[in-house]
Amino acid sequence: EPEVTQTPSHQVTQMGQEVILRCVPISNHLYFYWYRQILGQKVEFLVSFYNNEISEKSEIFDDQFSVERPDGSNFTLKIRSTKLEDSAMYFCASSVQGAERNYGYTFGSGTRLTVV
Amino acid sequence: GENVEQHPSTLSVQEGDSAVIKCTYSDSASNYFPWYKQELGKGPQLIIDIRSNVGEKKDQRIAVTLNKTAKHFSLHITETQPEDSAVYFCAASFNGAGSYQLTFGKGTKLSVIP
Repeated sequence: EPEVTQTPSHQVTQMGQEVILRCVPISNHLYFYWYRQILGQKVEFLVSFYNNEISEKSEIFDDQFSVERPDGSNFTLKIRSTKLEDSAMYFCASSVQGAERNYGYTFGSGTRLTVV
Repeated sequence: GENVEQHPSTLSVQEGDSAVIKCTYSDSASNYFPWYKQELGKGPQLIIDIRSNVGEKKDQRIAVTLNKTAKHFSLHITETQPEDSAVYFCAASFNGAGSYQLTFGKGTKLSVIP
């Protein structure tokens, strides 16, 4: 079964440093997403990406965050200057939108980001 | 924006019994309601979903019901097994042009006692 792959699985970074979280979505999917889950809390939407541009973003996704699809297969989330409160599990997801109207997302296993 | 409430936050059942998890949503425009199972250290995995033009959907031991008028939907797991133990999230979404974000509930930790 096709998978969304995320790397690394765990990243520790110092406050103020830049981090890049990487994702390889499912190859025929057209929509890409980042969500985050602070420990013990609900999964929260950050951003969606379609046709090489952001289609939606939440209030969490401020100027410190950016996304990119640099080479047609990878999808990255960059946090420019990490804060302690950025510590969370970050999930990448992708979905296909076609004539069959299959809306189902597939999530990756996540990257646990720890800011110290 | 959409708000999804999920109850209970924890649920313990004996193996073989049924489990029911309930969610309500606030935005009447929402038209897609998936349920996800999250095992420890893994990402959410879609287990069943329902669209607003359907009242009930079943897949083996799992069923979901939707009441659009009351804006609530429920997950039913019958004949529970220890491997059903996980955190379950409901979500809601308006699948319109350019909008596919999911709003999640806070999750229900289901424990199936052998």
